[in-house]
Amino acid sequence: KAGVTQTPRYLIKTRGQQVTLSCSPISGHRSVSWYQQTPGQGLQFLFEYFSETQRNKGNFPGRFSGRQFSNSRSEMNVSTLELGDSALYLCASSYRGSSYEQYFGPGTRLTVT
Amino acid sequence: DAKTTQPNSMESNEEEPVHLPCNHSTISGTDYIHWYRQLPSQGPEYVIHGLTSNVNNRMASLAIAEDRKSSTLILHRATLRDAAVYYCILRDGAGGTSYGKLTFGQGTILTVHP
Repeated sequence: KAGVTQTPRYLIKTRGQQVTLSCSPISGHRSVSWYQQTPGQGLQFLFEYFSETQRNKGNFPGRFSGRQFSNSRSEMNVSTLELGDSALYLCASSYRGSSYEQYFGPGTRLTVT
Repeated sequence: DAKTTQPNSMESNEEEPVHLPCNHSTISGTDYIHWYRQLPSQGPEYVIHGLTSNVNNRMASLAIAEDRKSSTLILHRATLRDAAVYYCILRDGAGGTSYGKLTFGQGTILTVHP
């Protein structure tokens, strides 16, 4: 099976702009989770989608949003970018999302200038 | 989320076994013990998970204490490719607020010497 894919791999944006990141899960996986990784805060959970519904959400401002499509592909959007949003954004898929293991993509490196 | 405690770093020599400890004294009955690792410049990678019994797979073994308050990830023969940050994570198997959520701590940085 193909792994989790994320596009784009690298992105440079300017403060105030918005950005959309894409994630394609492993075939058959219905749960998609998003994480932000920074040197200072480590890996932090953003949100999780299952069957097009957000089931769980981390402690991030409303500028961070996401959605999931009927084919389980997911997108996350960050509006009004701030310098502190520079991070590696990781997507992970799993079969159900509870105790099941997650499989991570390579991430999208976002730099905000 | 129940908390885990891991050493900040450990070192090993290539082809020797490595035992990575994790303490989780506040673990609940529905918490699964998961281990992930993150190699440099890559996303985290699932290693193994268990609930009560010891588990083995092609990558590693997981030894769980009888009272479940601690566990040990065992790499039977370390290779240079095993140099990574290893995370011990508790996940509530009952779902709810744990859906899709892994709570990563600082993990253990494993250095493998040739």
